[in-house]
Amino acid sequence: AQSVTQLGSHVSVSEGALVLLRCNYSSSVPPYLFWYVQYPNQGLQLLLKYTSAATLVKGINGFEAEFKKSETSFHLTKPSAHMSDAAEYFCAVSRMNTGFQKLVFGTGTRLLVSP
Amino acid sequence: DVKVTQSSRYLVKRTGEKVFLECVQDMDHENMFWYRQDPGLGLRLIYFSYDVKMKEKGDIPEGYSVSREKKERFSLILESASTNQTSMYLCASTLWDRWNTEAFFGQGTRLTVV
Repeated sequence: AQSVTQLGSHVSVSEGALVLLRCNYSSSVPPYLFWYVQYPNQGLQLLLKYTSAATLVKGINGFEAEFKKSETSFHLTKPSAHMSDAAEYFCAVSRMNTGFQKLVFGTGTRLLVSP
Repeated sequence: DVKVTQSSRYLVKRTGEKVFLECVQDMDHENMFWYRQDPGLGLRLIYFSYDVKMKEKGDIPEGYSVSREKKERFSLILESASTNQTSMYLCASTLWDRWNTEAFFGQGTRLTVV
């Protein structure tokens, strides 16, 4: 069954530093993978998605993620953190069950950005 | 601008009450979902619906039911609210059975059961 694991419930960086949020997936078939962001008191919005077209995926707000099959990873990165990036980030994998697509989410990583 | 709208941002209910959480989408999506979000547990799927009057149990359906009488509206029902159902509830919608489709989320309803 498809699942994702996010390492680290909290990640702290300084403004301007590299952001790296880790996600490993488990899937018996080629996965479709997603990163979502949740700002305080809001719903989730899509940052980027991997659908097998390219292993390096660029998303909104300067984020990107690289699909590495050999490492079963889909880590999220951003070269330089901004204060506005402080939020919770969720990795997700698309799972088919009885013919219907469902998203299975990781437990989330809260990104803290200090001045 | 696409939208998924949840009727309440905050709710406080008493133990044993019947609670309705409403969700409406304006994108003509076939699939709609209810998730529950708790710290350290991420989002867990409660129920989903792939068509009017059709529903499927998710991973944690116990204590919940759903209703989808119209394509745009998906309701989550807590038959008899309990304190362990205090949580953030998120509604989402997607197009019909497309693996790589984007899910659109509502703002969430923070429910407190006292």
